[in-house]
Amino acid sequence: AQSVAQPEDQVNVAEGNPLTVKCTYSVSGNPYLFWYVQYPNRGLQFLLKYITGDNLVKGSYGFEAEFNKSQTSFHLKKPSALVSDSALYFCAVKGDSSYKLIFGSGTRLLVRP
Amino acid sequence: DAGVIQSPRHEVTEMGQEVTLRCKPISGHNSLFWYRQTMMRGLELLIYFNNNVPIDDSGMPEDRFSAKMPNASFSTLKIQPSEPRDSAVYFCASSLINSPLHFGNGTRLTVT
Repeated sequence: AQSVAQPEDQVNVAEGNPLTVKCTYSVSGNPYLFWYVQYPNRGLQFLLKYITGDNLVKGSYGFEAEFNKSQTSFHLKKPSALVSDSALYFCAVKGDSSYKLIFGSGTRLLVRP
Repeated sequence: DAGVIQSPRHEVTEMGQEVTLRCKPISGHNSLFWYRQTMMRGLELLIYFNNNVPIDDSGMPEDRFSAKMPNASFSTLKIQPSEPRDSAVYFCASSLINSPLHFGNGTRLTVT
């Protein structure tokens, strides 16, 4: 069975500091991993994905994520947070032979000025 | 491209009434998903269409829920009769196979 865990309901960081939003997953077969961001009253927006290749994936708005197969993790990172990064972040996973994308419970990121 | 278009953005209805939510996917996308988002349960996949054919409706909570995709550019999600516990934000998303999902802005449904 596929599952995604986002252990932190909320992450608080100061503007200019690095941020990390954690994600671990469980899936059969090779994982397809995604990060999405949701702003208030909007749908989810795609940030980045890992399918194969380099373990460090770069995405939109300066975000990146590191795939770690041994720890089954796919943490989202950014070297320097902006107040405008404050939003709800979702990690998602599917197996390479599955169509079903499973989302984590979401982590609210709050960047204070 | 205008992205995935959902209508209405907000729907308020009384218990027992029929509710129809609409979705126009991105042109050329062959996969369409309906999700429901609530505080308690997060994002739940309700149904998945591929090339207009329902592939997996195991997430549809009850027989009161039904979904159709009569052509590649239109899908509906219907609730009949609606109940207060159906109150949620309903998202439609489309994609190409194994590509990222593109979400609409959702329909916020309130059933009183």
